[in-house]
Amino acid sequence: DQQVKQNSPSLSVQEGRISILNCDYTNSMFDYFLWYKKYPAEGPTFLISISSIKDKNEDGRFTVFLNKSAKHLSLHIVPSQPGDSAVYFCAGNNFNKFYFGSGTKLNVKP
Amino acid sequence: NAGVTQTPKFRVLKTGQSMTLLCAQDMNHEYMYWYRQDPGMGLRLIHYSVGEGTTAKGEVPDGYNVSRLKKQNFLLGLESAAPSQTSVYFCASFQGNYGYTFGSGTRLTVV
Repeated sequence: DQQVKQNSPSLSVQEGRISILNCDYTNSMFDYFLWYKKYPAEGPTFLISISSIKDKNEDGRFTVFLNKSAKHLSLHIVPSQPGDSAVYFCAGNNFNKFYFGSGTKLNVKP
Repeated sequence: NAGVTQTPKFRVLKTGQSMTLLCAQDMNHEYMYWYRQDPGMGLRLIHYSVGEGTTAKGEVPDGYNVSRLKKQNFLLGLESAAPSQTSVYFCASFQGNYGYTFGSGTRLTVV
């Protein structure tokens, strides 16, 4: 049973607009969460993280929001750029093991 | 600084053959992991290690074995490959901040 779910396999956004990627989890023991970005034929690369004691973390164009009561997190990218087109994975950490969602493929159109 | 290096990058095996995937990291990380990525399934943990000489099972360990004889290396073995093991395999290492550092992956096809 997947502990982390990304229910949208794909998302298409116009350049300059906001991209919102969503993630739900079931394990209340996760103590922090991360978002990874993956290009084809490459390994995932770390993007942004958030501790379970926070509800927001911001890094440049990327902001992650955490709603613990709903067991939901989201990644906002503003403004979206064509170079952001990639697969985005969210992951939850429990005892130094990360559990990943199935990914959302973001396509930012010029 | 190479980070995490996986070899080989591609491999085609026949059913029943065996092989070993090598993961090497030069960051002196204690924790190392093997994941497989399949369409619609995301990344699933196969085995992991919390230090030299230790290994533990992840979510999908069946059909795989691992060894961590040296801190910098984590080997993933397939004793008798099956078509269900066709996947992209990622190795990662971790030292407690900002998550994993991943290798670039090994694409394995079992025919």
